[in-house]
Amino acid sequence: AQKVTQAQTEISVVEKEDVTLDCVYETRDTTYYLFWYKQPPSGELVFLIRRNSFDEQNEISGRYSWNFQKSTSSFNFTITASQVVDSAVYFCALSEPSSSNTGKLIFGQGTTLQVKP
Amino acid sequence: DSGVTQTPKHLITATGQRVTLRCSPRSGDLSVYWYQQSLDQGLQFLIQYYNGEERAKGNILERFSAQQFPDLHSELNLSSLELGDSALYFCASSPRVAYEQYFGPGTRLTVT
Repeated sequence: AQKVTQAQTEISVVEKEDVTLDCVYETRDTTYYLFWYKQPPSGELVFLIRRNSFDEQNEISGRYSWNFQKSTSSFNFTITASQVVDSAVYFCALSEPSSSNTGKLIFGQGTTLQVKP
Repeated sequence: DSGVTQTPKHLITATGQRVTLRCSPRSGDLSVYWYQQSLDQGLQFLIQYYNGEERAKGNILERFSAQQFPDLHSELNLSSLELGDSALYFCASSPRVAYEQYFGPGTRLTVT
């Protein structure tokens, strides 16, 4: 069965610290997609990244980086030199379009990140 | 701004009532998804439409229904409302299946 686990419920760091948010997924499909979304206090869901199961190359975008490891079914997200504006709830999500014929997202429970000044 | 619009932003209503939530997808996006976010259930997929047709159903109650119109906007109808239906309802759109979904600002529904 498909599932996304974000074991860290809350993380608190001081500004400029690096922080890694963990995401572990379960799927029987060989073709799937992984996503990260950010939900700031204002409430909207902001798309951060999409990665397909055939591309294990790590990605960096500014202070954000993602580490995808199929061997451990993990798709971790690291924020380097965190800032107060990074404070938000971060969601990891999985999509299995091949077997489900839909792009519906299966979300983890989210990790609340608090960055203190 | 994701380009997805949702109205209303807030809705307060009483148990037993019926409400309609509206969503306009990004220009060119054919898929519309509805999600419910609550404290106890987290973010849950409700239903998907693609180019006017229902594509998939998730954990959507029988009291809830949706449709997508020819202009691609979508409406989510919630009836016989219960206190437990209080939640944030999101609409998202994407150009194709498995592409990234862009979310609207959400409609916060409070049932009293």
